[in-house]
Amino acid sequence: AQKITQTQPGMFVQEKEAVTLDCTYDTSDPSYGLFWYKQPSSGEMIFLIYQGSYDQQNATEGRYSLNFQKARKSANLVISASQLGDSAMYFCAMREDGTASKLTFGTGTRLQVTL
Amino acid sequence: DADVTQTPRNRITKTGKRIMLECSQTKGHDRMYWYRQDPGLGLRLIYYSFDVKDINKGEISDGYSVSRQAQAKFSLSLESAIPNQTALYFCATSDPDFGTSGYNEQFFGPGTRLTVL
Repeated sequence: AQKITQTQPGMFVQEKEAVTLDCTYDTSDPSYGLFWYKQPSSGEMIFLIYQGSYDQQNATEGRYSLNFQKARKSANLVISASQLGDSAMYFCAMREDGTASKLTFGTGTRLQVTL
Repeated sequence: DADVTQTPRNRITKTGKRIMLECSQTKGHDRMYWYRQDPGLGLRLIYYSFDVKDINKGEISDGYSVSRQAQAKFSLSLESAIPNQTALYFCATSDPDFGTSGYNEQFFGPGTRLTVL
């Protein structure tokens, strides 16, 4: 089974609107962390936000928030007030704390922000 | 200056050639990683190293080898390159003590785009 599943290969959103990028995960490790990275067309990987499995509250970082539903094993990224510069690939990744800090990545979602 | 650098940034080579991709970091992190990215497949772990004497295979290590020359340097080698090793290669580092953020996130280099003809 896939450890990280991103079911949306591509998404469109209008500028200034909010968008949710889906991520579901599969693990039996009680301690884990979930990460979102952004990859613009220039290719670099930019860390956006982190959610720990024991965190009681959903993570937020500026316009980014993580909708963490532990029972459903989902960790969706919400981008509010989209900007043209948000157009990029977005990757969800998981670190299972029993696996020595290795990250497992999803296949990514390409987000296109339109005027 | 960038904290994690990779050389070369782009490389075109021929089948059967040996090639080395280099990674250097100034973050002082002990942990370093090599990933490859293929379209539609996300990033997959090739090798990782927790210190100079600790090197481990990742998900897709066949056809690759690594060398950890120092805490700051981690090289990836393709002994005999083949076309299906054409990909974008990333080096990353992390702090085992969860760093200043508490997240233990991985910091990525800019990537090396490798084409094997």
